[in-house]
Amino acid sequence: EAGVAQSPRYKIIEKRQSVAFWCNPISGHATLYWYQQILGQGPKLLIQFQNNGVVDDSQLPKDRFSAERLKGVDSTLKIQPAKLEDSAVYLCASSPQNSGTGRGEQYFGPGTRLTVT
Amino acid sequence: SQQGEEDPQALSIQEGENATMNCSYKTSINNLQWYRQNSGRGLVHLILIRSNEREKHSGRLRVTLDTSKKSSSLLITASRAADTASYFCATGSGNTGKLIFGQGTTLQVKP
Repeated sequence: EAGVAQSPRYKIIEKRQSVAFWCNPISGHATLYWYQQILGQGPKLLIQFQNNGVVDDSQLPKDRFSAERLKGVDSTLKIQPAKLEDSAVYLCASSPQNSGTGRGEQYFGPGTRLTVT
Repeated sequence: SQQGEEDPQALSIQEGENATMNCSYKTSINNLQWYRQNSGRGLVHLILIRSNEREKHSGRLRVTLDTSKKSSSLLITASRAADTASYFCATGSGNTGKLIFGQGTTLQVKP
């Protein structure tokens, strides 16, 4: 089966500019996650969707970050305006169901490496 | 917030040796998962162990879980140069399925 697709793979922007990332999960996967991974750290969950509804966005900086999953399939994550500390890899993952309850793992895309100058 | 703390932060071994990584966590969990990340790539799921399990095997991987000590270990036997990567533990708890990742262990296997 095709894996999780993300684009772009790399993006360089100046601070205060806006940027958007796109993710297409594995077909049929109900749950979609966006993570931020700062260099040298583990991924941190930003937002979790179940179909097209938000399950958890407690760590999403809502003053500048937004995400949507229209029609419950692909998703976009937007940052506006970007700050220097937003430089990180943004990972998208999907799972067939709620993986935290022990029913399965998450499948990760290759990530988008964002550099804010 | 990062629930898992991994030890060591970095590990360098020779090909053929065994590698052991440890993960400690703070709150009760439903399961604990281990992932591998090669440089510049996404994470790949390795193994999942449920809170009512104590040990699990998959190929050259052995995972143990001690819920009384809130700790887990990942053992890679007969390591290969291709095992060079960062390894992360992630804990799943609650009703949402949220995973919290540790800081990771960077493993270098020298040929």
